[in-house]
Amino acid sequence: EVQVVESGGGLVQPGGSLKLSCAASGFTFSGSAIHWVRQASGKGLEWIGRIKSKTSAYATSYAASVTGRFTISRDDSKNTAYLQMNSLKTEDTAVYYCSRSTMTTNWASDYWGQGTLVTVSS
Amino acid sequence: EIVLTQSPGTLSLSLGERATLSCRASQTISSSYLAWYQQKPGQAPRLLIYSVSSRATGIPDRFSGSGSGTDFTLTISRLETEDFAVYYCQHYDSPPFTFGPGTKVDIQ
Repeated sequence: EVQVVESGGGLVQPGGSLKLSCAASGFTFSGSAIHWVRQASGKGLEWIGRIKSKTSAYATSYAASVTGRFTISRDDSKNTAYLQMNSLKTEDTAVYYCSRSTMTTNWASDYWGQGTLVTVSS
Repeated sequence: EIVLTQSPGTLSLSLGERATLSCRASQTISSSYLAWYQQKPGQAPRLLIYSVSSRATGIPDRFSGSGSGTDFTLTISRLETEDFAVYYCQHYDSPPFTFGPGTKVDIQ
């Protein structure tokens, strides 16, 4: 069974840092791309960024709102991707989802985790 | 950056009715990199349609997608109880892979 599970959310002060994890199972993690998407309470979905597979040199892309503050990485040996969030702002408060995409769905995100809540507040 | 606009914001319909949701892009989306997701309260998004018109695994055939270029449509042929939710379109042509603001389908 394909699964992606986020962890690492919590309460952090403005200006602080937090690292989220996305643990995958049930599929060939190394051949997939991993995306991070967030959703503030009562709001829509916001794509944050993506990391491609090793065959694409682990290329990353980010939304303008997080460029320079957030970094996506992955460890294929652990079937896990990460979202390092620095210089956090109150507006980064949201549920953070990771998802995988593969060639099977022409790189649309077909499996999503249940999300982890990040609250940025003093 | 490609901006996606969805209309209407809210669609109030009855069971068994046909729902037509629109997604318009600010520029042409190449290679059919357009997807539709369904999201219910407290749940993660669920992929319905990828590549404009391909149904994801396990998605009923009452859901269909169409369109090209900058104009795309998600159609639900006959609404069932479980279809009342928020629907988002997303492009994955070139980063950033933006989402539309969503269309809420609720019971009239």
